[in-house]
Amino acid sequence: EPEVTQTPSHQVTQMGQEVILRCVPISNHLYFYWYRQILGQKVEFLVSFYNNEISEKSEIFDDQFSVERPDGSNFTLKIRSTKLEDSAMYFCASSATGTGGYEQYFGPGTRLTVT
Amino acid sequence: TQLLEQSPQFLSIQEGENLTVYCNSSSVFSSLQWYRQEPGEGPVLLVTVVTGGEVKKLKRLTFQFGDARKDSSLHITAAQPGDTGLYLCAGAWFLRTGANNLFFGTGTRLTVIP
Repeated sequence: EPEVTQTPSHQVTQMGQEVILRCVPISNHLYFYWYRQILGQKVEFLVSFYNNEISEKSEIFDDQFSVERPDGSNFTLKIRSTKLEDSAMYFCASSATGTGGYEQYFGPGTRLTVT
Repeated sequence: TQLLEQSPQFLSIQEGENLTVYCNSSSVFSSLQWYRQEPGEGPVLLVTVVTGGEVKKLKRLTFQFGDARKDSSLHITAAQPGDTGLYLCAGAWFLRTGANNLFFGTGTRLTVIP
């Protein structure tokens, strides 16, 4: 069964450093998303991406964040200068288009720890 | 601000009992999805409901979307220890691009005691 994959599973970085989180969405999907979940809190929407551009972003997704689809398979989230409050689980999700296209499938997540 | 409230927040029941989890909002959604999340893992999709009043069954799980598409419920019949986990509802609005950003509820943590 196709699935969304994410790497790394755990990333530890120092405050102020740049990190890139990687995702491989399900191959025939066209819509891609990033969400985050701070420990003990609910899952929060960050950004959606379609046709090589951002579709919508939340207030959390400020200038420190960027997304890219550098090739036909990867979808990345970059945080330019990490802050302590960026520590969270980051989930990538993807969905197809057309009938049933609203169903989002999530990856296993990357745990980001900023020290 | 979109707000999805789930109740109860915590639920502990004996194996074999029935239970219902509720997901309520003041907003109308294009669709509503139910997920189950294990600790340290990503949410796993259980079902999507789209039409007001829609009922979907997944083995012992029954999902209902409210007529006004503002609320939903998850009913589990004869709960088993394997049902233990965090249940999340998430509402979506269709965007003109076709993307549908999900707004998650606060979750219901279910524990089924053998």
